[in-house]
Amino acid sequence: AQSVSQHNHHVILSEAASLELGCNYSYGGTVNLFWYVQYPGQHLQLLLKYFSGDPLVKGIKGFEAEFIKSKFSFNLRKPSVQWSDTAEYFCAVNAQVGGGADGLTFGKGTHLIIQP
Amino acid sequence: EAGVTQFPSHSVIEKGQTVTLRCDPISGHDNLYWYRRVMGKEIKFLLHFVKESKQDESGMPNNRFLAERTGGTYSTLKVQPAELEDSGVYFCASSHWDRYYEQYFGPGTRLTVT
Repeated sequence: AQSVSQHNHHVILSEAASLELGCNYSYGGTVNLFWYVQYPGQHLQLLLKYFSGDPLVKGIKGFEAEFIKSKFSFNLRKPSVQWSDTAEYFCAVNAQVGGGADGLTFGKGTHLIIQP
Repeated sequence: EAGVTQFPSHSVIEKGQTVTLRCDPISGHDNLYWYRRVMGKEIKFLLHFVKESKQDESGMPNNRFLAERTGGTYSTLKVQPAELEDSGVYFCASSHWDRYYEQYFGPGTRLTVT
C-alpha cells in the first residue's frame, strides 16, 4: 500500500516569495505522482502530474514539481507566489501497475496563505 | 461541458439513520471514484467503478457502505445505518477512459452524523 506525507500543514508567505511544499511517498513499486489544489469554495483540481520521463514537470499557473526517485519525493515549487495562490494543496500518488486509473492516495494537505 | 455534480451538498442525520449520496460524473466518463475526508485527516479512496462494474472497493470502511452505479451513469453511496465516525466530506471524481489519469472532482457532500 502507498502512503503520502506532506511536511507542512500550514504555510504563510508574502506575495512574491518563493514556495516549496514538500511531499514524500512510500511505496515499493513505481508510482504516478500528482499535485491537486483546492481554492476556497472550489473543487479539487489537478495542478500537475508525473508519470515518466523528465522528472521536472510544469503545471498550470506557474507551478512545477520535481520527482527525485532516490528521495521518494515530489516537491511542489513556484518562484513567486500571488495572493490568488491561497488554497489547500494535496500531493497524491497511485501505483503505475494499475495503469494510472487506480484510486489516489492523498497526503493530508497543506493550507497555503499568501499575505498581500 | 458540465462538471461532476453531487447531491446533496450537505446532509445532517442522526446516528442509526440511512443516507444516500449521489454523484453524476461528467458525461462519457467511464471511471468513477468515491473518496472521503474525515475532519483533520487525508482524503481517502473508497472505491472505483469502471462503467457499472466495481473495479476496486478496497477502501470501503465496512458493510454499512453500499455503492452502486446503475447503467454506468450516475452513482449512489448509501450509508446504513450511519455512525458518528461516518461524518466527513464525501467526494466523487470521474475520468475518461483515455485520459484516465485526469480525475475531475465534484464539490463534495458534507455529511454530519449526530
